Amino acid sequence: GQSLEQPSEVTAVEGAIVQINCTYQTSGFYGLSWYQQHDGGAPTFLSYNALDGLEETGRFSSFLSRSDSYGYLLLQELQMKDSASYFCAVRTILTGGGNKLTFGTGTQLKVEL
Amino acid sequence: EPEVTQTPSHQVTQMGQEVILRCVPISNHLYFYWYRQILGQKVEFLVSFYNNEISEKSEIFDDQFSVERPDGSNFTLKIRSTKLEDSAMYFCASSGSLAGSYEQYFGPGTRLTVT
Repeated sequence: GQSLEQPSEVTAVEGAIVQINCTYQTSGFYGLSWYQQHDGGAPTFLSYNALDGLEETGRFSSFLSRSDSYGYLLLQELQMKDSASYFCAVRTILTGGGNKLTFGTGTQLKVEL
Repeated sequence: EPEVTQTPSHQVTQMGQEVILRCVPISNHLYFYWYRQILGQKVEFLVSFYNNEISEKSEIFDDQFSVERPDGSNFTLKIRSTKLEDSAMYFCASSGSLAGSYEQYFGPGTRLTVT
C-alpha cells in the first residue's frame, strides 16, 4: 500500500519562508507532486519532482530525495493568500494508461501578519 | 486557459437514490479521473479512464459506481444507490495530451450530500 506523512499544521508570518515536509512509503513510485487547496476549492497543481533535487517555480520550490523517500515544498515570501492546505501526492504510472495520485493527509498553512 | 468543469456544484439526494455527476475534461486530454474528498480528510483516488475503459479503480469504487464517456466531451460518474457515507466532494481530473504532459488538472468539484 501507500502511505504519506505530512505535518497537520504550520504557521508562519507574512514575508517568511516555510518548508512543508512529506515522507512516503509506496510501491511503484514515479514522482512526487504538490497541490494547493483553498477551503472548498479544487486541488491546484504546484510542482512535481521525478528526479532527486530541487525544482523551482517562482516563489515555490520542491525537493525530492528518492533514497530517503522524502520531499518538501518550500514557499518563499509568504503572502496572506498562501493560507491554504498543501498536499503531497505520489504519482504512479498505470499500466492501462495515465497515472494515479495518492495524496497525503495535507498540511494546513496559516500565514499571519 | 483551458479548465475542467463540473456540474452540478452541489447535489443533495436521498439515501438509495441514483446520482450522476458530470464533468467536461480539458479538450485535448486523454486520461480522466474521479477522486473524492470527505470533509476534513485527504483526497482519495476512485477511478481512472482511458481509451473508453477503466484503467484502474480503487477499493472504494465498488459495484455501486460506474463511469462513462457518453460523447466526445463529457465524463460522468454514476452512483447507483447512494449511501450516507457517499457524502463528499467529488473531483474530476484530466491529464495527458499529445504533448505528453501527465499533470492532473482538477475541476472545481461537486459537493454531494446524501440525506
